[in-house]
Amino acid sequence: QQQVKQSPQSLIVQKGGISIINCAYENTAFDYFPWYQQFPGKGPALLIAIRPDVSEKKEGRFTISFNKSAKQFSLHIMDSQPGDSATYFCAASIPRDTDKLIFGTGTRLQVFP
Amino acid sequence: DAGVTQSPTHLIKTRGQQVTLRCSPKSGHDTVSWYQQALGQGPQFIFQYYEEEERQRGNFPDRFSGHQFPNYSSELNVNALLLGDSALYLCASSLTDDIWGEKLFFGSGTQLSVL
Repeated sequence: QQQVKQSPQSLIVQKGGISIINCAYENTAFDYFPWYQQFPGKGPALLIAIRPDVSEKKEGRFTISFNKSAKQFSLHIMDSQPGDSATYFCAASIPRDTDKLIFGTGTRLQVFP
Repeated sequence: DAGVTQSPTHLIKTRGQQVTLRCSPKSGHDTVSWYQQALGQGPQFIFQYYEEEERQRGNFPDRFSGHQFPNYSSELNVNALLLGDSALYLCASSLTDDIWGEKLFFGSGTQLSVL
């Protein structure tokens, strides 16, 4: 019940295309859903996050869509760029415990020019 | 403003040995969390330190222990190393008053290889 399932494992997108990464969870107590971006040799960096009181959050080219009834959330990267090539992790946590994140297994995104 | 700094960046040990990893939190942060990231996997929460005490712990054996110093820096100790302990160990810091959790910063990690 503590798992966060992430798909796909890897994704290849052409420059300018849309990248979509999906995550699903079981624990209905989760109330914080961040996405992290990790480049090789670096630690994860917070990209964008959402709470279940909204269904969508957009920051620049990055959008989180959240479906509370389906217990699913997804990351959309519009106009994907080669510089977006990285590994992306979804995560979740319970109230007031946001440092204890449950991470998905990651998606390796490659954007080709 | 320095972010989260970890040392060393790489470490090679043999089975049965003990290792100590170090972390300095981002300036102004008072809470340190440690994560283990196995190759090709997402990070897994080990434990969290606040006010020099372990506040929370994930599903890791007692071989994993830690410490937080008065200046908020932290150490992760692993005893009796196993081959399966080979991983990237990440330190993350935050400010405990940040209840919304949107200010959790990760360091670049220590890559531990156990031979």
